[in-house]
Amino acid sequence: DGGITQSPKYLFRKEGQNVTLSCEQNLNHDAMYWYRQDPGQGLRLIYYSQIVNDFQKGDIAEGYSVSREKKESFPLTVTSAQKNPTAFYLCASSMWEGGKQPQHFGDGTRLSIL
Amino acid sequence: GQQVMQIPQYQHVQEGEDFTTYCNSSTTLSNIQWYKQRPGGHPVFLIQLVKSGEVKKQKRLTFQFGEAKKNSSLHITATQTTDVGTYFCAGAYSGSEKLVFGKGTKLTVNP
Repeated sequence: DGGITQSPKYLFRKEGQNVTLSCEQNLNHDAMYWYRQDPGQGLRLIYYSQIVNDFQKGDIAEGYSVSREKKESFPLTVTSAQKNPTAFYLCASSMWEGGKQPQHFGDGTRLSIL
Repeated sequence: GQQVMQIPQYQHVQEGEDFTTYCNSSTTLSNIQWYKQRPGGHPVFLIQLVKSGEVKKQKRLTFQFGEAKKNSSLHITATQTTDVGTYFCAGAYSGSEKLVFGKGTKLTVNP
């Protein structure tokens, strides 16, 4: 079954701690994205990547970091610099054509502060 | 920056009533996509509109793209309880590499 797998489903972060959210896809998609979803705010783009070893900042990249060492994987690290990390994080992928292809989403990770 | 405004934010209807959500951009879009997110779930792609004035239908759902390619709407005829969820539009702009999502319209349907 092709799809996007995000883990963990729930994650708790202590003050001053970095945490990493996993995103893996087996759809052979070139592009991958990370979004943050807060109630009433829609989806806001954190980072995106078009090809391996390359990625760009989205609208709210501060306090986050990513890597794209493999086509299938696009992990997101929420650093201690992100002062309000509690949110629902969604990973997505698509064939690359500059926003003209449908995005396929994972089930998401809910991050909370302890 | 580029923004896609979506209204209303919430809509409560009785089962069988119609529902419409609207999206508007101040600048011309190259295309617009629509997604549905069920409660507790993730967004699922519904459709993409590309041409000026385009109208597409999926059973009880009708999607329209304005003539100026700055606005779009999703209309559901005779809502059912299975229609509950949040509907998002997402616009793409020429020369930009990303989608800009509206804030969504949360639909609740009373049986």
